[in-house]
Amino acid sequence: QSALTQPASVSGSPGQSITISCTGTSSDVGDYNYVSWYQQHPGKGPKLMIYDVSNRPSGVSNRFSGSKSGNTASLTISGLQAEDEADYYCTSYTTSSTLGYVFGTGTKVTVL
Amino acid sequence: QVQLQESGPGLVKPSETLSLTCTVSGGSISSYYWNWIRQPPGKGLEWIGYVYYSGSTNYNPSLKSRVTISVDTSKNQFSLRLTSVTAADTAVYYCARRDPRSSFYFDSWGQGTLVTVSS
Repeated sequence: QSALTQPASVSGSPGQSITISCTGTSSDVGDYNYVSWYQQHPGKGPKLMIYDVSNRPSGVSNRFSGSKSGNTASLTISGLQAEDEADYYCTSYTTSSTLGYVFGTGTKVTVL
Repeated sequence: QVQLQESGPGLVKPSETLSLTCTVSGGSISSYYWNWIRQPPGKGLEWIGYVYYSGSTNYNPSLKSRVTISVDTSKNQFSLRLTSVTAADTAVYYCARRDPRSSFYFDSWGQGTLVTVSS
């Protein structure tokens, strides 16, 4: 199971929108709508932000949205705020080698 | 609101066995998939495997030969054993829940526990 590919870092100014990509294969992102996104602040555990490509759990700001095209999923943060500065990881259900999960390489979001 | 708490030794010697327990409170361990996920210092997340409350398991192929995950429903706990550890197994270990009635994502996480492999 190879990790999903994410950009190492993305930055933006307060109020701007940024998009983080997550590229996999036809055995994971491309074949299932089971992509989820997690936010992780330093020293903290991950927090679910998006599930099933584009659904937000209750309590998550509607500034966070998700989408998918082919083997690439994306997370968009609109109206960027200082509190959004964190690491973000995508993950997908996968049938490569086993029925399990593969995580993305992680993206550091910096609010300028 | 369910809470998960990892516990176990913070230091393990090379070639020995790492053992961690996750205690589930505020909810039942039944009817869910319980996962272990780890994060080496400064690196990304890696799924280790899961145990269903019934005892069935599935593991990451890269770790499968060294991993055992088990569940104790009477104690509302599940556990991780990782044998023959090396420095590469140094990581923060998280336990996390998946609800099969929902979808394939982890809706609750523990705070994580750092395990260092060193002599």
